[in-house]
Amino acid sequence: QKEVEQDPGPLSVPEGAIVSLNCTYSNSAFQYFMWYRQYSRKGPELLMYTYSSGNKEDGRFTAQVDKSSKYISLFIRDSQPSDSATYLCAMSPNTGNQFYFGTGTSLTVIP
Amino acid sequence: DVKVTQSSRYLVKRTGEKVFLECVQDMDHENMFWYRQDPGLGLRLIYFSYDVKMKEKGDIPEGYSVSREKKERFSLILESASTNQTSMYLCASSLPTLFSTDTQYFGPGTRLTVL
Repeated sequence: QKEVEQDPGPLSVPEGAIVSLNCTYSNSAFQYFMWYRQYSRKGPELLMYTYSSGNKEDGRFTAQVDKSSKYISLFIRDSQPSDSATYLCAMSPNTGNQFYFGTGTSLTVIP
Repeated sequence: DVKVTQSSRYLVKRTGEKVFLECVQDMDHENMFWYRQDPGLGLRLIYFSYDVKMKEKGDIPEGYSVSREKKERFSLILESASTNQTSMYLCASSLPTLFSTDTQYFGPGTRLTVL
């Protein structure tokens, strides 16, 4: 079993829709949870970063962590065509030495 | 603002050539990483360095070596490039301990094609 599981999609939604992206994990030691956005042929760009459980909001983006269920989510409100990208979840225990990544979900927002 | 730069965005090499990929970060991060990214396989760690001249093998080190002579610079070396090393190569850096305000940051990537 992989440490981090992420549905690869692809996911296609109309402009303005609410998008929900999810990852599950198996290691209860994970404390830091990240979402990266990666445009085609570019490096991953840090989008959201959360420590432990709870919600974090930044503009149209909300990251949720449920450590009891080992489940994290990224919500995108009022999705835009510019949100079309691959979204990677990543996790780490309390160290900068180990990062575990999902395989990424490909999202297309149709105008 | 963290910046991780990579020496080339696109690179085409021939089988058997020695290939150098360079990565520089300007945030004084101790940790630096090299990953490769392939469709359906996600990110796979090749090598990791936690200090100057220190290195640790990742999940797929075979066919690669690394060099870290200065804190800000981490080089990935393909001793004899092969076609199965055609991939997107990503460099990243981080502090040794994560804080609520800092995590791992990536460079723009080098798309390497080996013919």
